[in-house]
Amino acid sequence: DTAVSQTPKYLVTQMGNDKSIKCEQNLGHDTMYWYKQDSKKFLKIMFSYNNKELIINETVPNRFSPKSPDKAHLNLHINSLELGDSAVYFCASSPNGGSEQYFGPGTRLTVT
Amino acid sequence: DQQVKQNSPSLSVQEGRISILNCDYTNSMFDYFLWYKKYPAEGPTFLISISSIKDKNEDGRFTVFLNKSAKHLSLHIVPSQPGDSAVYFCAASEVGANSKLTFGKGITLSVRP
Repeated sequence: DTAVSQTPKYLVTQMGNDKSIKCEQNLGHDTMYWYKQDSKKFLKIMFSYNNKELIINETVPNRFSPKSPDKAHLNLHINSLELGDSAVYFCASSPNGGSEQYFGPGTRLTVT
Repeated sequence: DQQVKQNSPSLSVQEGRISILNCDYTNSMFDYFLWYKKYPAEGPTFLISISSIKDKNEDGRFTVFLNKSAKHLSLHIVPSQPGDSAVYFCAASEVGANSKLTFGKGITLSVRP
């Protein structure tokens, strides 16, 4: 009964491809997030959704498009993948947009 | 532009001793601070937090101290245990920022048996 789950855990793909990462939380939280942890280990927020509505978009290239079909899911679609997109992507959720966020296990994306 | 800084990349302590992990921040609008713990191949796990109206918060072996004037916080773990070996991230959020968290780079703590 994983609280925040992500699929896939590992993703290896070639430049130019389009890929999606899925996230689901069973905590009943209203707010979900996507973070990117780059090679320098910084965790940086990309997007935040509250009840399916986008509330944070941190100047991420528009090749990245989050989609929230319902408040338990927040998927991340990436078009035209580039080498610099290689990173670990973490999904998270929180109740009522609180700062105490619960993270998924991460998806390691490698673009070759 | 690092608003949250964890300047020591690693710390090694003996089991049973105190671990002190430091964090500095530059944004005076930050009003809530959190520590997350991360094991390899897992996501960060919330550990403890402190509001800017307090200067100390304690939860079992973990205590966080906040010095607002110095823009500095620290996490104390006592006694340290081998299972505490992990990467510890300091994070902060500011008023009205829709709970956006700004993370530090993390400190790798190793507790020697």
